[in-house]
Amino acid sequence: ILNVEQSPQSLHVQEGDSTNFTCSFPSSNFYALHWYRWETAKSPEALFVMTLNGDEKKKGRISATLNTKEGYSYLYIKGSQPEDSATYLCVGASGNTPLVFGKGTRLSVIA
Amino acid sequence: SAVISQKPSRDICQRGTSLTIQCQVDSQVTMMFWYRQQPGQSLTLIATANQGSEATYESGFVIDKFPISRPNLTFSTLTVSNMSPEDSSIYLCSAGGGNTGELFFGEGSRLTVL
Repeated sequence: ILNVEQSPQSLHVQEGDSTNFTCSFPSSNFYALHWYRWETAKSPEALFVMTLNGDEKKKGRISATLNTKEGYSYLYIKGSQPEDSATYLCVGASGNTPLVFGKGTRLSVIA
Repeated sequence: SAVISQKPSRDICQRGTSLTIQCQVDSQVTMMFWYRQQPGQSLTLIATANQGSEATYESGFVIDKFPISRPNLTFSTLTVSNMSPEDSSIYLCSAGGGNTGELFFGEGSRLTVL
């Protein structure tokens, strides 16, 4: 069974600061990893789907890396803005089993 | 991509009552899913809604408590039956997926059971 852990659980940063958080998962049976951003009262929105060891993906000020051998992914936000405030979900996919969600990292960016 | 509309967006319910949540997708999709997020917990899959057949429930979830309908490829409902305060959660409808595919979500239904 895939188990996805995210840290920290919550994070407060000042506007303009860069930040990062972690998703860890068992390296065996790994298939793919997703990052979603979930703003309050909105739909979770897909940020990245990552499958290959060493993958690095970028969307604007947000980027992510993947290390499947050691079982972790980092999400980076450069120059945080108040609109980045959201819960960031990491989701693991392992073969034919249902997707497994982490508990999320709740980011608050203070203006 | 798919746009998913979910309603109600929130509700406050009395213990022992039932509530049905509706999910409408703007295009035909094969896979539809219902998730729950209890306070402080991960999003957890309740069941996969299958068109033309009974839903497939995950461990810990049963049809009597969470009956699901899927009359066509764009619509599904989830009923939370005989509610108790422990059922207070955000319920999310989603579509898409597959082993690595992107999931699209509704905006969620926030249920509070008194």
